[in-house]
This record gives sequence, C-alpha cells and structure tokens, in this order.
Amino acid sequence: DVKVTQSSRYLVKRTGEKVFLECVQDMDHENMFWYRQDPGLGLRLIYFSYDVKMKEKGDIPEGYSVSREKKERFSLILESASTNQTSMYLCATLGQGDEKLFFGSGTQLSVL
Amino acid sequence: EDQVTQSPEALRLQEGESSSLNCSYTVSGLRGLFWYRQDPGKGPEFLFTLYSAGEEKEKERLKATLTKKESFLHITAPKPEDSATYLCAAGEGYSSASKIIFGSGTRLSIRP
Repeated sequence: DVKVTQSSRYLVKRTGEKVFLECVQDMDHENMFWYRQDPGLGLRLIYFSYDVKMKEKGDIPEGYSVSREKKERFSLILESASTNQTSMYLCATLGQGDEKLFFGSGTQLSVL
Repeated sequence: EDQVTQSPEALRLQEGESSSLNCSYTVSGLRGLFWYRQDPGKGPEFLFTLYSAGEEKEKERLKATLTKKESFLHITAPKPEDSATYLCAAGEGYSSASKIIFGSGTRLSIRP
C-alpha cells in the first residue's frame, strides 16, 4: 500500500517564523498535493506538483510556497507564519491515470 | 461557482440504526464523485468513486449512489467502528486531481 509520511504530527511556531512541512511518499507517484483542512471549510488545495521541480498554485496559495527537488519529497513552506495559518495540513499523492488520492496523517500547525 | 455541500454536518445514530448522508454538487463536467472516510487525527482514506448517474458501489455496511445532482452514502446497521467523518469530493473536468472539490464533511457518531 502507498505510504505518505508527514514529518511532524504537531507543530507550534511563532508569528513571523519560517516553517517547513515535509512530505515523503514511497510509491513513485508523479502527483503530490498540499491541502489545509479547517472546520466547516473542508479541504482546500494550496499547491500541487505533477513532476520534479514543477509546481502549480491551487485555490489558496497566498502566504505559501513549495519545493519538489526529488520525486518522493514535496515540501510546503510558510515564509513568515501568521496566526491565520493555524490549521491541519494534509499531504496527498496520486498515481498517473489514477483517481484515488492517498493522504498522509496530517500536521496540526499552531501559530502563536 | 463549483461547490460541494454535505448534510448533515453531524449525525448521531444508535448502533443498528440505518441512515444516509447527503452530498450535493454543482460542478461543470463531473469527472467522478469520491467518498473518503477520515478518523480523528488521521488523513482521509479512500472509499469509493462513482462516475455516472445510477451507479452504485458497496463496501461492507456502506453503499454509495449517484444522481445527476447528488450522491448518497447509505449506512446499513452501523457499528461503533463506523464512527468517523465522511468526506465527499467532486472531480471537475478532464485533467488532473487539481480539480477536486471537497465538501466539509459529515461527522458520524454511532452509539453502542
């Protein structure tokens, strides 16, 4: 089965800090995604990548950037964390021609 | 505007009490309708994909159905282990998973 591993389960950061969220997958999937999940709002797509060094903005990219230097790793970067970025962050992967998203366990980020 | 709306937000049932969760969608060019299950502290886990009106899929006590505007997740004789948040998502257009719109979920609680 596909394994999607997010580096931290819980993270507490201060306003203005630079934050890195890491995601690693072991199934050679081309597509990787970062979502945030907030109560009552569902999952919202921040960024996605369909190949190494390729990235596309999702629905809410403001305040975020991403990096994909290797196929298996997709990083989400908060350049200067703000309190409104407190959320659950979920990484997901998708195989080419597939329809089934595989999610990591999520990182609950609190920005104080 | 494309959107996916789930109802109710929360549902509490007695063990063995059957019910249905609703997902209504408005997307242009539905590519597929997806159901996921999410347990507390975990990422969503794929359940079903439905592609065309009239299609049905089953897995244990769960059955998903699709019409042109709605999908239903029927739960027959639920058990406490069915307690979770159920997410519905609609895939739009003919390209990648970048165009998957999630609903905000239904929190299902089954009392023993």
